[in-house]
Amino acid sequence: SYELTQPPSVSVSPGQTARITCSGDAFPNQYAYWYQKKPGQAPALVIYKDSERPSGIPERFSGSSSGTKVTLTISGVQAEDEADYYCQSGDSSGTFPVVFGGGTKLTVL
Amino acid sequence: QVQLQESGPGLVKPSETLSLTCTVSGGSISGYYWSWIRQPAGKGLEWIGRISFTGSTNYNPSLKSRVIIFVDMSKNQFSLELSSVTAADTAVYYCARDPGVATPYYSDYWGQGTLVTVSS
Repeated sequence: SYELTQPPSVSVSPGQTARITCSGDAFPNQYAYWYQKKPGQAPALVIYKDSERPSGIPERFSGSSSGTKVTLTISGVQAEDEADYYCQSGDSSGTFPVVFGGGTKLTVL
Repeated sequence: QVQLQESGPGLVKPSETLSLTCTVSGGSISGYYWSWIRQPAGKGLEWIGRISFTGSTNYNPSLKSRVIIFVDMSKNQFSLELSSVTAADTAVYYCARDPGVATPYYSDYWGQGTLVTVSS
């Protein structure tokens, strides 16, 4: 199997910068994707192909990659950003083409 | 804008087959791939598998022996069947659109999800 590792939780105050990391052996050879998941709502794609932002996603959301780790950065965090965030990628061989990280709960203090 | 809506029984008995359908509106099912993903209560997301509009499928190796996904282009729908279910299959099931061909796959539009409980 293939695993992506995220911290269980991250806490920041409003206006600060939140950074959520995701580690996986297949990075940087495979793209990373990030989803925001709020209770009772469908997941929303916030970053695709490591650092691209879908239309309608605020500019405060950005993604980056370095070695075997990718990072979702939320600048100027707002209360509405409180949610679970999941990274997603796949292994290098294609045997596991879709793998989600365990998720990170972002708490806005 | 494309919209997806899951439908199907909310309660399935153990050992039976879970069947769900996703109806796509606001766009054609043609030209894209379509996925099923689930989330058990209090746990993370798990990819189940996906199908192309031509019927080509890819499944999660851990579920492959129990999963069938098929498409009905005439109805702009695709469906999931998961056999021999147990309580561990209780989850919110999402359908989603996959815009990409190359791995890793990803989903850009999601349905609201439907809760399926496995219980006698």
